[in-house]
Amino acid sequence: SQQGEEDPQALSIQEGENATMNCSYKTSINNLQWYRQNSGRGLVHLILIRSNEREKHSGRLRVTLDTSKKSSSLLITASRAADTASYFCATDYGGATNKLIFGTGTLLAVQP
Amino acid sequence: DAGITQSPRHKVTETGTPVTLRCHQTENHRYMYWYRQDPGHGLRLIHYSYGVKDTDKGEVSDGYSVSRSKTEDFLLTLESATSSQTSVYFCATQAGTGSAGELFFGEGSRLTVL
Repeated sequence: SQQGEEDPQALSIQEGENATMNCSYKTSINNLQWYRQNSGRGLVHLILIRSNEREKHSGRLRVTLDTSKKSSSLLITASRAADTASYFCATDYGGATNKLIFGTGTLLAVQP
Repeated sequence: DAGITQSPRHKVTETGTPVTLRCHQTENHRYMYWYRQDPGHGLRLIHYSYGVKDTDKGEVSDGYSVSRSKTEDFLLTLESATSSQTSVYFCATQAGTGSAGELFFGEGSRLTVL
């Protein structure tokens, strides 16, 4: 299976703290994406980082990519209770079908 | 938000019965996908489509078939449902310009096979 792994599986922090989630994958990629899923809902795209990029920012989100280690991290700064959700990385391994392979996810709980 | 509608949203059925889940999109996206989500496994790709009548298998395709006769509709069929197919099923679409871009997801279909 090409499925990626996320670490930690679960994370509990206080409001205002930073949250860091990690994703490891297995073979070379075109890009890596992060998604968020609120309980009982569909996934929502957060950010995409291409294989030739090392860092990307979007609001309170910071994503890094280390292709030599086949890993990525998602940092959420100054977390809020509303950030409570599951977070997934997804990798594009290339090819004509544009399919994404998802990791197993990190469940983030932000305590008010 | 991309207009992706899944139906039914909830279904309870018995082992051995056929089940069809429907995904309808209003965005004219080229690519469509069916994933299943199970605890501990995240999302796993079942089947996908890269155009009308063009489909292929994903990681966990056994026991599932798909059809795409129109751009806007992607059907997932369980010919004879089993308890191991109890899951939440998500449809997703992608515009498909160049390398893989953002996926847009439906709200999911929760299937229980008794």
